[in-house]
Amino acid sequence: KNQVEQSPQSLIILEGKNCTLQCNYTVSPFSNLRWYKQDTGRGPVSLTIMTFSENTKSNGRYTATLDADTKQSSLHITASQLSDSASYICVVSEDTGGFKTIFGAGTRLFVKA
Amino acid sequence: GAGVSQSPRYKVAKRGQDVALRCDPISGHVSLFWYQQALGQGPEFLTYFQNEAQLDKSGLPSDRFFAERPEGSVSTLKIQRTQQEDSAVYLCASSLGVGGLPSYNEQFFGPGTRLTVL
Repeated sequence: KNQVEQSPQSLIILEGKNCTLQCNYTVSPFSNLRWYKQDTGRGPVSLTIMTFSENTKSNGRYTATLDADTKQSSLHITASQLSDSASYICVVSEDTGGFKTIFGAGTRLFVKA
Repeated sequence: GAGVSQSPRYKVAKRGQDVALRCDPISGHVSLFWYQQALGQGPEFLTYFQNEAQLDKSGLPSDRFFAERPEGSVSTLKIQRTQQEDSAVYLCASSLGVGGLPSYNEQFFGPGTRLTVL
């Protein structure tokens, strides 16, 4: 069964610190992997996307990595800000020419002053 | 509009009532998706439209759930005889299409409708 698992489930860090969120997946055949940020009461917003051939992608203070061999991805947040407090969801799409996407449960990040 | 909009943003229903949730996708987006998101969980797929055709409804939890997109733009998710377990946030997303380049199949989400069934 295709699955996406994220860790940790939740994380508390101090403003200005860095953190790394993990995503492991078993989706096959693999098409692409996205990281979304979901603020409370809002819909998810895409941060990064990586295909099979890409192993890193940056978007400002967000850097995602992908190891397609081990089926692992990480999202690194640098110099965290209070506004980074949100859920971060890893989403993997199947390469079936269609639309199947599998969502992780998300990591809930709390950034404290 | 500039993004995906959903209405109402909040809905409280008594058990047994019917509800209708609306989604206005980004203009020109062919694909439309409905998801159900329980508290503290990621979105779970409900159904998918390509234009007006409902190509996959495998995620609908029961025959009380019905979705339509009659003119290939606005979509409505209807839940009949609501139950307490239907309480969740219902997210709508749209994309230019499916497959192909990631930029083509990126899904843009609306803010969701939070449904509470008492």
